[in-house]
Amino acid sequence: GAGVSQSPRYKVAKRGQDVALRCDPISGHVSLFWYQQALGQGPEFLTYFQNEAQLDKSGLPSDRFFAERPEGSVSTLKIQRTQQEDSAVYLCASSLGLAETQYFGPGTRLLVL
Amino acid sequence: GQNIDQPTEMTATEGAIVQINCTYQTSGFNGLFWYQQHAGEAPTFLSYNVLDGLEEKGRFSSFLSRSKGYSYLLLKELQMKDSASYLCAVRDQNQGGKLIFGQGTELSVKP
Repeated sequence: GAGVSQSPRYKVAKRGQDVALRCDPISGHVSLFWYQQALGQGPEFLTYFQNEAQLDKSGLPSDRFFAERPEGSVSTLKIQRTQQEDSAVYLCASSLGLAETQYFGPGTRLLVL
Repeated sequence: GQNIDQPTEMTATEGAIVQINCTYQTSGFNGLFWYQQHAGEAPTFLSYNVLDGLEEKGRFSSFLSRSKGYSYLLLKELQMKDSASYLCAVRDQNQGGKLIFGQGTELSVKP
């Protein structure tokens, strides 16, 4: 079956631009997570949703980062006024529930110039 | 707080066995995961341990000791395609479902 998909796969932005990253979870998966992965590092948690409810956003680095999942399915991670330090791979994962295995999408590689 | 430690790099020979260790400290423990990640690709789920002991899946096995805060991933009959980063991640029961990852172990399999 279809896995987690993310778009775009690559994004180049000029410093100060706003970007929106999309995640399509596995159908029926209630929980959705966003992680940020710097080069050579493990993923770091940003935020997660249970259906449309954002239960934890403690990992978002600043108020320039915003995530939503209005209908409990597709999620969008938005970064306003991008900075060079935002350059990273943004991974989305989904699971049947909070206590279930998370399955990852291929990520969006963001480069801020 | 939480801390996950694993070696940065390892090298092994095709056909051999390699063990990748992971130690962790968390305020609460609710399972340990191993993922494989090839460069530029999604992390792929390998194994899950929540009770002490060994879980075997084909060429891959994972071990957990909760009292020692220790896990290892064992890869047998190494193949060139096993060259990848191996990520250890812990779920902290006090922090919902989110995973806390180690930095990953970059495994190079040589002929």
